[in-house]
Amino acid sequence: RKEVEQDPGPFNVPEGATVAFNCTYSNSASQSFFWYRQDCRKEPKLLMSVYSSGNEDGRFTAQLNRASQYISLLIRDSKLSDSATYLCVVNIMYYGTASKLTFGTGTRLQVTL
Amino acid sequence: DAGVTQSPTHLIKTRGQQVTLRCSPKSGHDTVSWYQQALGQGPQFIFQYYEEEERQRGNFPDRFSGHQFPNYSSELNVNALLLGDSALYLCASSFDRDEQYFGPGTRLTVT
Repeated sequence: RKEVEQDPGPFNVPEGATVAFNCTYSNSASQSFFWYRQDCRKEPKLLMSVYSSGNEDGRFTAQLNRASQYISLLIRDSKLSDSATYLCVVNIMYYGTASKLTFGTGTRLQVTL
Repeated sequence: DAGVTQSPTHLIKTRGQQVTLRCSPKSGHDTVSWYQQALGQGPQFIFQYYEEEERQRGNFPDRFSGHQFPNYSSELNVNALLLGDSALYLCASSFDRDEQYFGPGTRLTVT
C-alpha cells in the first residue's frame, strides 16, 4: 500500500466550477500536511499547509481528518490558471530533528473554457 | 531574496558514470533535502542534511551520497549511473523542520 494515495485524475472541469481532491495516508505518525502544486516540468510549489481545524486561502480550502487519515483540497471558482498537478504531502518528523516529506503521485487538474 | 537554486539545469550522462548536482538553499534556511522525481510520479525522498550531517535517508542505495557545506549549500552525488536514475532531481530547503521550498530541479538523462 502506498504511504500517500491520490486519485491521479485527470479531472477536467469548466472554468468557474468547484472541484475537490482527496488523499489518504497510511502512517499515523505523520505530523504535518501540505498541498503542493506542480506545473508541467516545473518544481512543486507550496500551495498551503493543512490543519486539523481546516484552513482557507482565497478560493482554496483544505481539510484534515486525523482519525480517518484523510486530507482534502477544495478549489472554488476554478480558473484556467489552476490547471496543474496537485500533490498531497505528509511530513513525518524523526527523533526530534529530522523530517521527511512523502508525496502522493499527484492529481492532475485541467480547467477548460 | 533568491530562492532555492540548483545547477546544472540539464545533464546527460552515460551508464556507469558519476554525477554531482548542486543546490543553494533559500536565504535563512539551514536544512536541505533531496528528492528524485520520475516521470508521472511524485517526488521520492533521498536524504536530508542539517548541520553538515545526513540526518534522515530514504530508500535509496549507497550509490547516492551527499554533502552539506558550512554555508548550507549541498551536493548530491550518484555513482555508477543506471538508466533508471534518469529523473528530475529536486532540492528543497527549509529552516529546521518547517515548510520546504523547492528549487527548479536538475533533469538528468542517463543513456
